[in-house]
Amino acid sequence: DAKTTQPPSMDCAEGRAANLPCNHSTISGNEYVYWYRQIHSQGPQYIIHGLKNNETNEMASLIITEDRKSSTLILPHATLRDTAVYYCIVRAHTGTASKLTFGTGTRLQVTL
Amino acid sequence: DAGVIQSPRHEVTEMGQEVTLRCKPISGHNSLFWYRQTMMRGLELLIYFNNNVPIDDSGMPEDRFSAKMPNASFSTLKIQPSEPRDSAVYFCASTLSQGLAMETQYFGPGTRLLVL
Repeated sequence: DAKTTQPPSMDCAEGRAANLPCNHSTISGNEYVYWYRQIHSQGPQYIIHGLKNNETNEMASLIITEDRKSSTLILPHATLRDTAVYYCIVRAHTGTASKLTFGTGTRLQVTL
Repeated sequence: DAGVIQSPRHEVTEMGQEVTLRCKPISGHNSLFWYRQTMMRGLELLIYFNNNVPIDDSGMPEDRFSAKMPNASFSTLKIQPSEPRDSAVYFCASTLSQGLAMETQYFGPGTRLLVL
């Protein structure tokens, strides 16, 4: 699976959009970009994933650049409950279940 | 659905003792994962099963660790003998693997293990 690079930490004011970048310059054509987050003391939680088109769900939006070498997770209106570590993971769909390789992620702190 | 269930939630034991962690995956899921999280190493995969068969155990640190999945609704991770460096949070996750479709892994609340 391709390696990802994320900033170690970010701050965001409550109510503002949080934009979390991820670099995955070695991504292969069949690899998807997944985002998970881990709120303190809880297990990781799936947020969103995409291949090459932008994606949106009830939690967030995912913007993937045209060359697919980087992406941005957008939380449109961050709340205090969005304070967590956000992990960007790149993996292929191989036909059988496969592991998630977690990096160090970005620690997002949402403040009043 | 109750989600992935892990027990115990907290475990404190002494070095040398056997520790057994338990996991009940989400009903209908066919793949199960065991992860370990420490401050030093982050979140790392130990082993995973597909249809109750171990697929990749390359993350299991050493022979003191063993995992079983006797049926689709239960898995154990055993450490014998335990050592202080095994202190960590152990997560179990499950997913429904269907060919090339995307898979969302659902994580349990974790077991916080402290080996004294």
